[in-house]
Amino acid sequence: DQQVKQNSPSLSVQEGRISILNCDYTNSMFDYFLWYKKYPAEGPTFLISISSIKDKNEDGRFTVFLNKSAKHLSLHIVPSQPGDSAVYFCAARLSGANSKLTFGKGITLSVRP
Amino acid sequence: KAGVTQTPRYLIKTRGQQVTLSCSPISGHRSVSWYQQTPGQGLQFLFEYFSETQRNKGNFPGRFSGRQFSNSRSEMNVSTLELGDSALYLCASSSFRDWTDTQYFGPGTRLTVL
Repeated sequence: DQQVKQNSPSLSVQEGRISILNCDYTNSMFDYFLWYKKYPAEGPTFLISISSIKDKNEDGRFTVFLNKSAKHLSLHIVPSQPGDSAVYFCAARLSGANSKLTFGKGITLSVRP
Repeated sequence: KAGVTQTPRYLIKTRGQQVTLSCSPISGHRSVSWYQQTPGQGLQFLFEYFSETQRNKGNFPGRFSGRQFSNSRSEMNVSTLELGDSALYLCASSSFRDWTDTQYFGPGTRLTVL
């Protein structure tokens, strides 16, 4: 049972435009959400996170939006750069004393020069 | 500060063998989690150790086990390897001063089972 879903396996955008990566979840108990970026032959790198008490968090070119009623979050990258080309994973966790992250299957973002 | 290191980076084994993977967390981090990444299933949680105790476990068979040492270094072991165990095994560490503390991943160990 996939509790975190990234339904689009890939996305291609033009350099300078906005990239919007979507993620849906089914477990309403998730309390904290994260986005990781992964290049080939490297481990995932933390990008940005958001707590369930917020609906938006921004860090430079990256903004994450959370819609709890729809159980949906999205990552916006503006402007997109060729170096952003990577696999992006959405992850969620429950509050409390454990570090388990539940990941989506990832979206491959390609930014065309 | 040095990042999370994993050894070996690549490993080739045959069915039925066992394997041990090692993870050294970021200095000062006491929580170590292990994940398996496969093309079909994405990243799946294996287990988490905190202060030498397994605190959480994913839905993997008993062939997958782990431990953590007093210096927070962790090992995971897979016994009686199967072809389906071929995957990238990732280790992540966090300080866990707060449950929202970020997990930092190592580069992974690529295991191929022939």
